Amino acid sequence: DAKTTQPNSMESNEEEPVHLPCNHSTISGTDYIHWYRQLPSQGPEYVIHGLTSNVNNRMASLAIAEDRKSSTLILHRATLRDAAVYYCILRRNYQLIWGAGTKLIIKP
Amino acid sequence: DTGVSQDPRHKITKRGQNVTFRCDPISEHNRLYWYRQTLGQGPEFLTYFQNEAQLEKSRLLSDRFSAERPKGSFSTLEIQRTEQGDSAMYLCASSFIRGPQHFGDGTRLSIL
Repeated sequence: DAKTTQPNSMESNEEEPVHLPCNHSTISGTDYIHWYRQLPSQGPEYVIHGLTSNVNNRMASLAIAEDRKSSTLILHRATLRDAAVYYCILRRNYQLIWGAGTKLIIKP
Repeated sequence: DTGVSQDPRHKITKRGQNVTFRCDPISEHNRLYWYRQTLGQGPEFLTYFQNEAQLEKSRLLSDRFSAERPKGSFSTLEIQRTEQGDSAMYLCASSFIRGPQHFGDGTRLSIL
C-alpha cells in the first residue's frame, strides 16, 4: 500500500532555508508526489507537486530523488507564516494518500 | 473570494441527530471530494464526484453517510443518527480532472 514517512516535527530559524524530507519507498510509476500544508483550524493548502523532475513555484521547490523513493520540499527563506503541518502525499489516480505530516516550527 | 466554501464552519449536535453540510466548489472545477480529519491525523478520503456522478466511496462511508452533488455544482454531505465517533473536521476539496485539489476550511462537527 502506498505510504509516506516524514519526521514528526522540525525546527528552523526565520529567514533561513528549510528542507523537509519525505520517504515514499512504495511509490509506483504513475504516483504523483504532492505537498500540502495546514494551519490550525484551516483546510490544507496546496504547495507543489511533481512526478519525476524537480519543480519550482512561487511557494517552494520540490526535489525528487532519481529513484523516486524520496523527495524534499525546500522553502528558500522561511518566515513565521510558514509555520504549519506539512504533508507529503502520494496521488494515485483521483486519491490523495496522506501521512501524518511534519510540524514545522519557525523560530524568530 | 473564489475558493472552496463550506457551511457551517462549526456544528454541535446531540448524538442521534441528523446533520447536513454544504460545500461550494471553485466554479470551474468538475471534481469534488469529501474528506474527514481527526485531531493529529491527515485527512481520510470519503467520496468524490465528477460533475454530478459519485464515482468512488470509501469503506469509511457507512450507510449513515450520504453525499449528493445535484447539477454538478454544490455538494451536500449528510450524516444520519450521529454517533460520538463522527466528531471530526469534514473537509471538501475541488479540482480539475488533472489538477491539484483545493480545500475549503472545513466543517467541525462536535457530538454531545
